[in-house]
Amino acid sequence: QVQLVESGGGVVQPGGSLRLSCAASGFTFSSYGMHWVRQAPGKGLEWVAFIRYDGSNKYYADSVKGRFTISRDNSKNTLYLQMNSLRAEDTAVYYCAKEMGFGELNYWGQGTLVTVSS
Amino acid sequence: EIVLTQSPGTLSLSPGERATLSCRASQSVSSSYLAWYQQKPGQAPRLLIYGASSRATGIPDRFSGSGSGTDFTLTISRLEPEDFAVYYCQQYGSSPPYSFGQGTKLEIK
Repeated sequence: QVQLVESGGGVVQPGGSLRLSCAASGFTFSSYGMHWVRQAPGKGLEWVAFIRYDGSNKYYADSVKGRFTISRDNSKNTLYLQMNSLRAEDTAVYYCAKEMGFGELNYWGQGTLVTVSS
Repeated sequence: EIVLTQSPGTLSLSPGERATLSCRASQSVSSSYLAWYQQKPGQAPRLLIYGASSRATGIPDRFSGSGSGTDFTLTISRLEPEDFAVYYCQQYGSSPPYSFGQGTKLEIK
């Protein structure tokens, strides 16, 4: 069955960096676009970034553009999110999600918590 | 960027009743690329509806989606106890950025 397992969350100071990973299994990872979605404590969902199945195109929310970088290693079935210049407002649970084909997200990981605080 | 506005913010109903949730887009959503998700406390969201009206795998037929253009609706025909949760709409038309609505909380009356 499809599994997405995020890791790499934790507590980081403002201005710091963190890299999240998402290990995928149970499907042909190299055939699907992948997304990161975040949810601040007690708040709604916010789409963060998308990478095409082959890594050829990447898209970002305006709130993270220039600070976050999405990438993937299809040989390792792993998705990444490099987060730099972190701010308090980046505090959230970060989910990786697989899309069906056009942006609808049919499988989600359990999420990893990132806390930006001094 | 397309902004999605969901209404109502909170909906209080009893099991067995019909629920109607609304999602309005600031501009037309191309090809009806509109999805609905359910999220329960402490859990990841679950895809319910995609393409505005297609049920995802394993979703009961009491869930249905409709609409096009800028107005979309999620209907739950007869509420079961496990349906009380937060519901989000998402547009994924053409290319990113994609966006979610702010959510509707469906609570037990």
